[in-house]
Amino acid sequence: AQSVTQLGSHVSVSEGALVLLRCNYSSSVPPYLFWYVQYPNQGLQLLLKYTTGATLVKGINGFEAEFKKSETSFHLTKPSAHMSDAAEYFCAVSFQGGSEKLVFGKGTKLTVNP
Amino acid sequence: DGGITQSPKYLFRKEGQNVTLSCEQNLNHDAMYWYRQDPGQGLRLIYYSQIVNDFQKGDIAEGYSVSREKKESFPLTVTSAQKNPTAFYLCASSNRGRTGELFFGEGSRLTVL
Repeated sequence: AQSVTQLGSHVSVSEGALVLLRCNYSSSVPPYLFWYVQYPNQGLQLLLKYTTGATLVKGINGFEAEFKKSETSFHLTKPSAHMSDAAEYFCAVSFQGGSEKLVFGKGTKLTVNP
Repeated sequence: DGGITQSPKYLFRKEGQNVTLSCEQNLNHDAMYWYRQDPGQGLRLIYYSQIVNDFQKGDIAEGYSVSREKKESFPLTVTSAQKNPTAFYLCASSNRGRTGELFFGEGSRLTVL
């Protein structure tokens, strides 16, 4: 079955430290991959996406993600965490095309400590 | 500014009552979606509509109903048949050909008393 797994429901980092949020998927066909961010009591906002082409994708707020087909992963990184990065992050995968087929991971809540 | 407006932001309901959540978009998007979000469970698709006067069930449609009479509007009714309606509800829209790129409203939090 096609699925999306985010390792770690909670991640805590210090301000200025590297942020690494993990996302793995299971699929026999190349998917479209997305990261969304959600601030408390708000909707989701698209951070970045991978569809085709370059496997290292840059997004907003200094985040980037790399599609690794051999590892079926799409981990999200940011070199230096800022207090404003505290939020919940969702990995999403479109396996069959069409936004109605988008499958979301369960989310990772990022805490940034001063 | 273009965007998606959901209302009300907070809603309380007694058991046995139907309640309707509003979703309006001025992005001229064809497709609209309703998701339910519960803590630790990610987002689950309730209903979606790709064109006016047409909509499809998502993964958890039981106890919910929708309509799409106008391109801009996609209201969701949580009926008394929904056994566990307390949740955060998110409306989203997307443009044709932009798979996976969803624009979300700020959500409506429904609490059943």
